[in-house]
Amino acid sequence: AQSVAQPEDQVNVAEGNPLTVKCTYSVSGNPYLFWYVQYPNRGLQFLLKYITGDNLVKGSYGFEAEFNKSQTSFHLKKPSALVSDSALYFCAVRDISSGGGADGLTFGKGTHLIIQP
Amino acid sequence: DTGVSQDPRHKITKRGQNVTFRCDPISEHNRLYWYRQTLGQGPEFLTYFQNEAQLEKSRLLSDRFSAERPKGSFSTLEIQRTEQGDSAMYLCASSAVAGGGTDTQYFGPGTRLTVL
Repeated sequence: AQSVAQPEDQVNVAEGNPLTVKCTYSVSGNPYLFWYVQYPNRGLQFLLKYITGDNLVKGSYGFEAEFNKSQTSFHLKKPSALVSDSALYFCAVRDISSGGGADGLTFGKGTHLIIQP
Repeated sequence: DTGVSQDPRHKITKRGQNVTFRCDPISEHNRLYWYRQTLGQGPEFLTYFQNEAQLEKSRLLSDRFSAERPKGSFSTLEIQRTEQGDSAMYLCASSAVAGGGTDTQYFGPGTRLTVL
């Protein structure tokens, strides 16, 4: 079975500083990895995904994530945080070895990112 | 707006009543997914359709839950004999088929169900 761990319930960062939101995963095969952001009373918005190729993936709003196979991690990063980045962030995985690759995503519990002015 | 839409946005019902939610996917997206999200948790996969065919159901989807996508466009999720434990946000997502599961799922705003 696949799983995702987001070890931090909350991350606090000062505006302008770099931010990292951590994610580790467990799959039996090769992973497809995703990051989504959720604002209050709204659905999840797609940020970026890793499928194959370059381990550093760039996404929306200046976010990027680095896939590390040996550490089974997919941490979300941004060089300079904005107050508007404050939201709930979810990491998700799909194990492409199961169900022909069309299974639903498995999500972590989410990390609250708070950017302080 | 051409994103995923869900109706209603909020539903309050009494225990034992039946409820039905609707999801309209992004036009021409042939895959449609249902998830449930409870407070403090990430979304949990319930079921998905490719066109009108329901291809997978999670163990979370008890016999009281049924989903349909009759013409491969919109979908409905019905919960019969609701229980307080059904209170959650129900999220719908859609995607365009891509090889090997590389498709990106785009989510709607969700339907928040409260069972009294």
